[in-house]
Amino acid sequence: DSGVTQTPKHLITATGQRVTLRCSPRSGDLSVYWYQQSLDQGLQFLIQYYNGEERAKGNILERFSAQQFPDLHSELNLSSLELGDSALYFCASSVDRGYNEQFFGPGTRLTVL
Amino acid sequence: GQNIDQPTEMTATEGAIVQINCTYQTSGFNGLFWYQQHAGEAPTFLSYNVLDGLEEKGRFSSFLSRSKGYSYLLLKELQMKDSASYLCAVRSSSNDYKLSFGAGTTVTVRA
Repeated sequence: DSGVTQTPKHLITATGQRVTLRCSPRSGDLSVYWYQQSLDQGLQFLIQYYNGEERAKGNILERFSAQQFPDLHSELNLSSLELGDSALYFCASSVDRGYNEQFFGPGTRLTVL
Repeated sequence: GQNIDQPTEMTATEGAIVQINCTYQTSGFNGLFWYQQHAGEAPTFLSYNVLDGLEEKGRFSSFLSRSKGYSYLLLKELQMKDSASYLCAVRSSSNDYKLSFGAGTTVTVRA
């Protein structure tokens, strides 16, 4: 158990819908990262938040957005869902110092039908 | 951009040694990580290299050559539970800690 929690574990929805994925980082970690993992793309970095502010952005679609709240939990919002958005979405957290190992949550499996 | 290459699949026998190579071409370099990921589970950290040379951690070792843009992960005394995907990841920026991952190498350990 990494100490990072993600809900829900599974999500099945239809094209065009909107969903929210939730992540709680390890106690004491200020950084949260979101990754998307699909069969044909591997693990892709989406976005990073540090202490409530966006720090780095990857290949995140405009239909996707995220935020980090004062209690440091983070939410990833996916809207106008397409079949190709079906993937595992991982959240990771870290302290952002030293070599900065990232600890991954168990992931949310999103299926868009 | 970032380009991180590793073999797609490798097969080895229980008790043997396997070496997973990773080559990278990135816009900067601030460390290379190896993660293990069992199917359907979260990646877990294995090793970190930022200077040239070998880092040993029990049955796992990782090597880095920054001038060649090359790393390998060495798994010794393979066990069935080592069957998993191994992900090479590079931190390229000194301003943030985001990682760029390779596609992963699936290692199958056979009895």
